[in-house]
Amino acid sequence: EVQLVQSGAEVKKPGESLRISCKGSGYTFTDYWVGWVRQMPGGGLEWMGIIYPRDSDTTYSPSFQGHVTFSADKSINTAYLHWNSLKASDTAMFYCARPIMFRGIIVNIDFWGQGTLVTVSS
Amino acid sequence: QSALTQPPSASGSPGQSVTISCTGTSSDVGGYNYVSWYQQHPGKAPKLIIYEVDERPSGVPDRFSGSKSGNTASLTVSGLQAEDEADYYCGSYAGSNNLGLFGGGTKLTVL
Repeated sequence: EVQLVQSGAEVKKPGESLRISCKGSGYTFTDYWVGWVRQMPGGGLEWMGIIYPRDSDTTYSPSFQGHVTFSADKSINTAYLHWNSLKASDTAMFYCARPIMFRGIIVNIDFWGQGTLVTVSS
Repeated sequence: QSALTQPPSASGSPGQSVTISCTGTSSDVGGYNYVSWYQQHPGKAPKLIIYEVDERPSGVPDRFSGSKSGNTASLTVSGLQAEDEADYYCGSYAGSNNLGLFGGGTKLTVL
């Protein structure tokens, strides 16, 4: 059974750093990209970007480029989303997901993690 | 690029059919057959229910169906059941934006 299990909820202050994780199981982790999707309170879904765990190739959405960093440790089937300096506006639910790719494009997302709620408040 | 356009809400009584639209452009919805639909219950992660316009993943009831005409894709839920009450999001490949786009979401209420 394919599963993406994310780390638990976090409460941080503005300016602090944070790394959340997403562990894949039930499939060959290095054969699939891992995506990150933001959902702000009461809002819709937004692509943040994707990472290929086999070689850590990444694509960031322009809206998030420079503010977050993706990484992956293929030895433990885990992808990470990292912030160096959080802002209050980063408060949101963050999902990792497994996008299905065809000829280099995302055609859909077939599995999602359970989400990690990040709250940034002074 | 702007998100795909969905109505904010839709509703129907048990047993009825409801259709939710997802409007884009010829650069995304209209240009490719890579439209997908996701169901999200409150406090839960989204779940894929339709991919490639009209394909259903294994385990998704055939009450859910998808279609597309021009730049607008549609999700139809037939024989509405109480458990269908959820938020529904469309997604599409968007050409030069290889991450794709999501719709703003539609809250489906079963009356």
